Amino acid sequence: GQNIDQPTEMTATEGAIVQINCTYQTSGFNGLFWYQQHAGEAPTFLSYNVLDGLEEKGRFSSFLSRSKGYSYLLLKELQMKDSASYLCAVRDAGNMLTFGGGTRLMVKP
Amino acid sequence: DSGVTQTPKHLITATGQRVTLRCSPRSGDLSVYWYQQSLDQGLQFLIQYYNGEERAKGNILERFSAQQFPDLHSELNLSSLELGDSALYFCASSPGQGRGETQYFGPGTRLLVL
Repeated sequence: GQNIDQPTEMTATEGAIVQINCTYQTSGFNGLFWYQQHAGEAPTFLSYNVLDGLEEKGRFSSFLSRSKGYSYLLLKELQMKDSASYLCAVRDAGNMLTFGGGTRLMVKP
Repeated sequence: DSGVTQTPKHLITATGQRVTLRCSPRSGDLSVYWYQQSLDQGLQFLIQYYNGEERAKGNILERFSAQQFPDLHSELNLSSLELGDSALYFCASSPGQGRGETQYFGPGTRLLVL
């Protein structure tokens, strides 16, 4: 089965940097995704990691360590609009995508 | 705007009833995925169709069924509805069978069962 853990809530200050961690245990691994979801809206794709290392995309970066079953999403220069839930999702060997419970990030002025 | 469309946006119905949710994938995408998101359960994968055929099955109840039509749109049928079925239902699509692909989500259908 799949087990994906991420913190339930985090709070950070506008302009700061925040790191959201995700640990996973899956039967086979075929990539890890991060999605952003504002309340009541659709998840929107942020990043995809399938090899170890850091993927950078503007203010957002995502890191993966397959041997440790660990990923993090790094958000820099936080803006108020970054207040949202961040979902970690892992694709298993059968191509099924399993989502973690999400981390609700609150950005304060 | 992801290019995935879902109708209706909101649906209110009573227990025991049956509803149909509709999804049109992004132009050119062959796979459609259905997810359920409730407050206490997070985003749960229900089922995937690829080019009209069932490709993968997740935590989908027997009361629920889906299909994908020749024009690639998909419908999710929910029957004998219970209060606990109240949730956001998302459809997502991807170009192929899913391997190495990003899924793009539609705006969702909010179902309320009274």
